[in-house]
Amino acid sequence: EDQVTQSPEALRLQEGESSSLNCSYTVSGLRGLFWYRQDPGKGPEFLFTLYSAGEEKEKERLKATLTKKESFLHITAPKPEDSATYLCAVQARGGSNYKLTFGKGTLLTVNP
Amino acid sequence: NAGVTQTPKFRVLKTGQSMTLLCAQDMNHEYMYWYRQDPGMGLRLIHYSVGEGTTAKGEVPDGYNVSRLKKQNFLLGLESAAPSQTSVYFCASSYSVRSGGRNTQYFGPGTRLTVL
Repeated sequence: EDQVTQSPEALRLQEGESSSLNCSYTVSGLRGLFWYRQDPGKGPEFLFTLYSAGEEKEKERLKATLTKKESFLHITAPKPEDSATYLCAVQARGGSNYKLTFGKGTLLTVNP
Repeated sequence: NAGVTQTPKFRVLKTGQSMTLLCAQDMNHEYMYWYRQDPGMGLRLIHYSVGEGTTAKGEVPDGYNVSRLKKQNFLLGLESAAPSQTSVYFCASSYSVRSGGRNTQYFGPGTRLTVL
């Protein structure tokens, strides 16, 4: 059974204080690992897809990395508008669909 | 493009009532999904569809039915609502496995359902 564990559950940062969110996963064969951002009352917004260990992707202050067992979402010099819940999900290789298994998310709060 | 839209945004039902949630996408995606999101549980897959006229069960299908009569629409039905179905429901869509890697799921804004 595919499993995704995100840590910490909640993280409070001061504006400009860089940090990382962790996503540990177990999957029979990884097709892709996804990061989404979710604002209160909204649907998940796609950020990144990572397909193989060693891959990295960046977008503004966010950088996602992938190893064979976990992914990190690094946030550099965050701003209050980066406050949101960040979700990690995995897709298993094989099969005829793209089902996602999600973690419970990390609630990030960035104080001005 | 509107992307993925969901109606209604909010709904309150009494136990035993029925309702249908509508999801529509304008991205010509083959695959569509229904998830529910509960505090402390994360997003869980209810049902999904890999094409018009086909549906399949996900992780938590009991108490729900779905239909995909048109490629762009995916309906989620509750025949007899129960308080345990109080949740936020999200629809998502993606290209097919045959599309060669464009497997990202795009989500709608959600429907907040309360069953009293």
